[in-house]
Amino acid sequence: GENVEQHPSTLSVQEGDSAVIKCTYSDSASNYFPWYKQELGKRPQLIIDIRSNVGEKKDQRIAVTLNKTAKHFSLHITETQPEDSAVYFCAASNPNSGYALNFGKGTSLLVTP
Amino acid sequence: NAGVTQTPKFQVLKTGQSMTLQCAQDMNHNSMYWYRQDPGMGLRLIYYSASEGTTDKGEVPNGYNVSRLNKREFSLRLESAAPSQTSVYFCALRRQGMNYGYTFGSGTRLTVV
Repeated sequence: GENVEQHPSTLSVQEGDSAVIKCTYSDSASNYFPWYKQELGKRPQLIIDIRSNVGEKKDQRIAVTLNKTAKHFSLHITETQPEDSAVYFCAASNPNSGYALNFGKGTSLLVTP
Repeated sequence: NAGVTQTPKFQVLKTGQSMTLQCAQDMNHNSMYWYRQDPGMGLRLIYYSASEGTTDKGEVPNGYNVSRLNKREFSLRLESAAPSQTSVYFCALRRQGMNYGYTFGSGTRLTVV
């Protein structure tokens, strides 16, 4: 089955700096790659997503890039703010398993003022 | 329009007891999923259902059963709860069409003592 790996597991940045989280996936059939932000005790919240026919997508301070050949995708957050502190998960959706999302293990991001 | 409703929100069980986690949607989509989330492990797929009457195993199905008797509801049953099943459980559905993506329920925090 699909295997999604995510790095780093923890990330600490100063307010205003950029943060980058990277994920790799194993199954080339995966075709949809969302990123979720999860705050303590809450459900995952979608922050950005990208489909396999697109290489890059941006939404204000957040961007995602996808390299299908290398099977990796990355989340970029610019001008980080303390409220960006949370756990971030990448995921890959695979049609071979009912389009279920396969998640990375998460990155705990801490933005210090 | 609540999207995905999970009940209960919290539950404490004794080892060996059984219970059913309920998940219901009001969005009329076919695909539904059950995940468990443990610290440091991300979300792992337990079972999924591509349509009414069909179910398939995910990554961690042992100790669980599911039921999809109609399009609206997808329930997860623990026949004989074990401490290893202490976790947070999320139900999700896949939205097809123009608003493609996934909707998560608010989660059930289950403790087995």
